[in-house]
Amino acid sequence: DADVTQTPRNRITKTGKRIMLECSQTKGHDRMYWYRQDPGLGLRLIYYSFDVKDINKGEISDGYSVSRQAQAKFSLSLESAIPNQTALYFCATSDWGDRGNAEAFFGQGTRLTVV
Amino acid sequence: RKEVEQDPGPFNVPEGATVAFNCTYSNSASQSFFWYRQDCRKEPKLLMSVYSSGNEDGRFTAQLNRASQYISLLIRDSKLSDSATYLCVVNMGYGGSQGNLIFGKGTKLSVKP
Repeated sequence: DADVTQTPRNRITKTGKRIMLECSQTKGHDRMYWYRQDPGLGLRLIYYSFDVKDINKGEISDGYSVSRQAQAKFSLSLESAIPNQTALYFCATSDWGDRGNAEAFFGQGTRLTVV
Repeated sequence: RKEVEQDPGPFNVPEGATVAFNCTYSNSASQSFFWYRQDCRKEPKLLMSVYSSGNEDGRFTAQLNRASQYISLLIRDSKLSDSATYLCVVNMGYGGSQGNLIFGKGTKLSVKP
């Protein structure tokens, strides 16, 4: 089983619909992240959480919200999906090493299409 | 200036070639640095960490120049299986919001027979 699991893996939804992407991890890491990846734009940070009570906006948080339900679970919601939110979404986790962030582990990604 | 910038690529090289990727970062407080590899439609995976003056792992060598805020990745004796996108990743610093991992846009490498 994967250490970082994202569901669903693929989703097609209509404009205006609410959708939730879920992420769970078995790494025991405190830090969790949501990124989106678009061709030519690389990975961009949407939201991140350094522990259960900590939620922070990333570079492109508008139109998204998150919930850290437990150390192992971090969900991303699109309250009213729009076509330019069509992208590949990645959840990631990391630990806190003695030199700062240690290696990040990624889920397999969720390919979201908004029509 | 972008926080993390990489060579745009793509790099098309023959098998056996040596290829180098460059990356610059804007925040002098950045503490740790990584190279990730991403295959098409797959998740990024750690290739190498770069903590001090650089390190080597087989055919791969990563270098860090803090004064110039510059990181490089050298791949010797390229293999077909090295074809992927290589992402430069920087940790902006210790604590709070500075603990983020910031990704470059990636450089695509294609190794040809």
